[in-house]
Amino acid sequence: GQNIDQPTEMTATEGAIVQINCTYQTSGFNGLFWYQQHAGEAPTFLSYNVLDGLEEKGRFSSFLSRSKGYSYLLLKELQMKDSASYLCAVMDSNYQLIWGAGTKLIIKP
Amino acid sequence: GAVVSQHPSWVICKSGTSVKIECRSLDFQATTMFWYRQFPKQSLMLMATSNEGSKATYEQGVEKDKFLINHASLTLSTLTVTSAHPEDSSFYICSAKGLAGGPIEETQYFGPGTRLLVL
Repeated sequence: GQNIDQPTEMTATEGAIVQINCTYQTSGFNGLFWYQQHAGEAPTFLSYNVLDGLEEKGRFSSFLSRSKGYSYLLLKELQMKDSASYLCAVMDSNYQLIWGAGTKLIIKP
Repeated sequence: GAVVSQHPSWVICKSGTSVKIECRSLDFQATTMFWYRQFPKQSLMLMATSNEGSKATYEQGVEKDKFLINHASLTLSTLTVTSAHPEDSSFYICSAKGLAGGPIEETQYFGPGTRLLVL
């Protein structure tokens, strides 16, 4: 079966760095997405990785290793507004998105 | 760019009535739109995939006669919840995917969601 694993919840301190991991097992791979979802709101697109390596976009970076079925989202200089759920999603061989359950990130002052 | 709107944002209705939710891609053409449902503190659940001009593909367990989807143009898809019941109360979110070959081909962009409360 297809499976996306990410931690349920993480806590970090304002100003610090946090890494949210995602491992996947899917039938085929056509890219991995990270979305941010604030409570009560719809998800917003953060990043897309289809090749191995690190993609940096401001305070957020996303890494992919296809051979290991692994990705992480790295958030630097954490701000209180970064408190949200972070969803990992993999596009399989049929171009269907397989969603992880999301990681709830709690930022403490 | 890649803005998706949804209307209405909130709807409260009586049990047995039908509710229509609109999803529009405002600044790009969306060949494919998706409808999701999300219950509190749970992940997104894909309900159906809709391609412009053809019938929607429903996920297992989703009743196609209850959740009617129409994707009449490249910028508009509608979801109608027919004969709504309290258990249909949820957060309904649409997303849109751009035309193949464009800069935003495979990325799904989400609308703001519609909260449905059935009394």
